[in-house]
Amino acid sequence: DGGITQSPKYLFRKEGQNVTLSCEQNLNHDAMYWYRQDPGQGLRLIYYSQIVNDFQKGDIAEGYSVSREKKESFPLTVTSAQKNPTAFYLCASSILTGYYGYTFGSGTRLTVV
Amino acid sequence: GQQVMQIPQYQHVQEGEDFTTYCNSSTTLSNIQWYKQRPGGHPVFLIQLVKSGEVKKQKRLTFQFGEAKKNSSLHITATQTTDVGTYFCAGLRAGGTSYGKLTFGQGTILTVHP
Repeated sequence: DGGITQSPKYLFRKEGQNVTLSCEQNLNHDAMYWYRQDPGQGLRLIYYSQIVNDFQKGDIAEGYSVSREKKESFPLTVTSAQKNPTAFYLCASSILTGYYGYTFGSGTRLTVV
Repeated sequence: GQQVMQIPQYQHVQEGEDFTTYCNSSTTLSNIQWYKQRPGGHPVFLIQLVKSGEVKKQKRLTFQFGEAKKNSSLHITATQTTDVGTYFCAGLRAGGTSYGKLTFGQGTILTVHP
């Protein structure tokens, strides 16, 4: 079955460390997205990519970086510059940006300790 | 920038009561989508509305898109415990350069008491 796989499900990081969250899809979707979810704030867009080797900043890109070397993969790195990284991170993909529903992965819950 | 406001933030109902959540955008939208996120889960796409004044139904769920394409609502008739979760609207700005960037509302958390 096609879908999006995010790993790991839970991640603990020490302050000052970078950490990379994995997102892989086998839906043959062109567009991929990273959202951050905090209680009471809905989903906020971090980065998105419409094609391989191209990506755009979202509303809260500071302290994050991404790459899109393959159509199937869109990893997110949370750097030490991110001031408040503890959150639930969701990866999503879609066929054609904006005009089809997003398919979300099951998320990664990152905790800084 | 574009803002999508969703109210109420929380709604507690008795099983069998109706529920409505409202979504308002600061700009005209090309389309609006609705998602449901169960507790501990991830958002799941429910439906997309594109036309002005459009109404769509999915069993007990009724979705509406306003005539001005700036607001939308989701109404659930006779709620069940399986309806528990957070309901999000998400809009795509009309005519903007942010092609493909959905803006999500804050969500409405629905709890249903049996």
